[in-house]
Formats: sequence, structure tokens, C-alpha cells
Amino acid sequence: DARVTQTPRHKVTEMGQEVTMRCQPILGHNTVFWYRQTMMQGLELLAYFRNRAPLDDSGMPKDRFSAEMPDATLATLKIQPSEPRDSAVYFCASGMRAVDSYEQYFGPGTRLTVT
Amino acid sequence: DQQVKQNSPSLSVQEGRISILNCDYTNSMFDYFLWYKKYPAEGPTFLISISSIKDKNEDGRFTVFLNKSAKHLSLHIVPSQPGDSAVYFCAASGLYNQGGKLIFGQGTELSVKP
Repeated sequence: DARVTQTPRHKVTEMGQEVTMRCQPILGHNTVFWYRQTMMQGLELLAYFRNRAPLDDSGMPKDRFSAEMPDATLATLKIQPSEPRDSAVYFCASGMRAVDSYEQYFGPGTRLTVT
Repeated sequence: DQQVKQNSPSLSVQEGRISILNCDYTNSMFDYFLWYKKYPAEGPTFLISISSIKDKNEDGRFTVFLNKSAKHLSLHIVPSQPGDSAVYFCAASGLYNQGGKLIFGQGTELSVKP
């Protein structure tokens, strides 16, 4: 049963601390997405990668957020320094981008609380 | 500028009846549309999709209708079941976007009452 996994599931941290969220995409998927869900903004795309190369990170606050794919089995999203307004659920999704395939498969999310 | 809109934040339906969830979009370049279902504390799960070359796609109790001229799509669930209670997101993408980026609506919370 192939699934996207995310760690940690919950994170509570103090303002100013570094936060790292990890994602393991489904094996064989070539595209990885990071989303943030808040009550006000709904599901917003932060960044995404194809074949480990960043395609678009225009949704991320560049001064504090960074996304990387060290290898095909790991994607990371870092926030440094974290702020209370970063509190949200962060989802990772993966997909196999093909000519007629747009389906993305989501992980369970990381619920981040910054106090 | 919200390109994908779900104007109804919530919908309540009796078990066994039809649920109709609506979605509007503004970008005429979109040519692929998807519906996702989300339970609390879980990630969204893919439900059904439709390409712009079709106007209907059916999968069991779920049918998606696309009206390109009106830039409108809808998800029909017949018959509705209590287990269908969740938040439903519509999403859109296009061939112009080679990365496969999806634009999501704000979601509609469906409640199916026994």
C-alpha cells in the first residue's frame, strides 16, 4: 500500500526556533509538492519539485522558508526562524507527472503550532 | 485573485439523497479538474477527475460534470452516505503548466445525516 509519509505529525515550537518537516514521496513518483492549509487561505501551494529539481517556490516566504530534495526518497521543508503566523497544517503530496496525469497523493500532514 | 471558487462553505444532506457540490473557475487555460475528499486529521484523498474533452465522468456513486462554457463543474454523490461526510475540494490544472501544479478551491464541508 504505497503512501506518502510525513514526519513529525505534530510539532509545537517557540517563535524563533527552526522547524524541519520531512516527507517521503511514493516510490517512483517524480513530482513532489508542499502545501499549507490554514483557515483563511485554504490549501495553498508553497513549492514543488520535479525529478528533484525545484520548479516553483513562488508560494513560499523566501526569507524564512526553504525546500529541498536531498534524494528521491526525501523532501524537506524548513522554517527558520518560525513565527506564530506559520501555524498551520503542512501537507506533502507526490505524483507521477505524465501528459494526461495530474493526480497528486497527499500525506497525512504536519500540524505546526508556533507559540 | 482566486481562480477556483467553491462558494458554498457547507452543505447538509439526508442519507440516501443526492449531494451536489459546485465549483467555478476563471482561468480558461485550465483543462483538467479533480475532486479531493478530506477527513479531519488526514490529508486530502483523490476522488475523481475529468478532462476538458469530456463533460461527464462517472465512478460508482460519484459523477463529475463539466460545463466549459460556464466554467463550472459539479460533483454529484448518489446516494449519499454518512461516511461521505468530509470536506470536498475541487482543483484545476492545465497543459500550459508542465509541472502539474494544482489550484485548489476553498472547500465545501458536506454533512450527510442518517
